[in-house]
Amino acid sequence: KAGVTQTPRYLIKTRGQQVTLSCSPISGHRSVSWYQQTPGQGLQFLFEYFSETQRNKGNFPGRFSGRQFSNSRSEMNVSTLELGDSALYLCASSLSLGSTEAFFGQGTRLTVV
Amino acid sequence: GNSVTQMEGPVTLSEEAFLTINCTYTATGYPSLFWYVQYPGEGLQLLLKATKADDKGSNKGFEATYRKETTSFHLEKGSVQVSDSAVYFCALSDQSSASKIIFGSGTRLSIRP
Repeated sequence: KAGVTQTPRYLIKTRGQQVTLSCSPISGHRSVSWYQQTPGQGLQFLFEYFSETQRNKGNFPGRFSGRQFSNSRSEMNVSTLELGDSALYLCASSLSLGSTEAFFGQGTRLTVV
Repeated sequence: GNSVTQMEGPVTLSEEAFLTINCTYTATGYPSLFWYVQYPGEGLQLLLKATKADDKGSNKGFEATYRKETTSFHLEKGSVQVSDSAVYFCALSDQSSASKIIFGSGTRLSIRP
């Protein structure tokens, strides 16, 4: 069974640009969550999607958004990039809402210059 | 709010030494507790979990027991190997939103041959 796939693995963007990251969950998993990992703030929850609807949201500005498609694949978008958005963005896949186990992808490392 | 506090690193041990990484949590209700491991350049892998008080999670020689009376979930291994070198994260998931995981700050473990 294929794991969680995140693309691209690495990305370099300029301040002010926008970026879209993609996550394909494990086949059959319908819940996708996104996390930001930085050396200063650690791992922080961004949002969770289930059945194409955002179910939970962390404490991030509106520049961070996401969506989920009918095949459970998810994308997150960051607009008007800031230097502080440089981070490893991790996607986690779960069978359903309320699942006690999440499986993480390898992440997308975003560098904003 | 819910939070996780874990032992500051880095922790450096010799091969075959005994390992303990302390983790305590603050939460309402009955969260599920996890240890995740992150190898260099990789995403997070679930190492073990426990979903109720007195449960013991175990995997690859690692163990942790859900102690509600002390709100702790300490990670232990009797004999570490060089291949155990990684960053370890203690985490919990909220009862109301099991896919929203709250992580500790991580403990970097280095094992000397």
